Amino acid sequence: EPEVTQTPSHQVTQMGQEVILRCVPISNHLYFYWYRQILGQKVEFLVSFYNNEISEKSEIFDDQFSVERPDGSNFTLKIRSTKLEDSAMYFCASRRGTYTEAFFGQGTRLTVV
Amino acid sequence: AQSVTQLDSQVPVFEEAPVELRCNYSSSVPPYLFWYVQYPNQGLQLLLKYTTGATLVKGINGFEAEFKKSETSFHLTKPSAHMSDAAEYFCAVKSFNKFYFGSGTKLNVKP
Repeated sequence: EPEVTQTPSHQVTQMGQEVILRCVPISNHLYFYWYRQILGQKVEFLVSFYNNEISEKSEIFDDQFSVERPDGSNFTLKIRSTKLEDSAMYFCASRRGTYTEAFFGQGTRLTVV
Repeated sequence: AQSVTQLDSQVPVFEEAPVELRCNYSSSVPPYLFWYVQYPNQGLQLLLKYTTGATLVKGINGFEAEFKKSETSFHLTKPSAHMSDAAEYFCAVKSFNKFYFGSGTKLNVKP
């Protein structure tokens, strides 16, 4: 069964460093998302991406964040200068069409020290 | 505005007892509703979904949910809990291109 894959599963980084979280969505999907879940809190929307551009972003998704789909298969989330409060589980998701559910990856646990 | 409320942060049940996890939503458009399950240190797995049609939907692992428009609810049920059901369950509503999640309910299954 096709699935969304994320790498790495766990990333530890120093405050102020740049990180890139990688995702390979399901191949015929058109809509892509990043969500995050701070430990013990709700799953929060970060950004959605469709037709090679951001379709919506949340207040959390400030200038420190960016997304790319560099080669038609990978979908990356970059955090330019990490802060302690960026520590969270980051989930990538994709869906095929307007009326379909989102499929989530296993997540990348980001720890900023 | 769209939102999802899961009032119970934890629900304890005994093995083989029935399970009900509550979810209420608000949506300005006809909702698409979902339940996802998260096992420890894993991602979100779709349990079931409601888009249109039959209001009682069946999902994986013996779970069901009923869409009740008059009550703006989408509660998740299972007749008999197994130890393997212990996990966190998230209700979500899709509005336009975004998914809104509830705060999650941890299902604790006791032998």
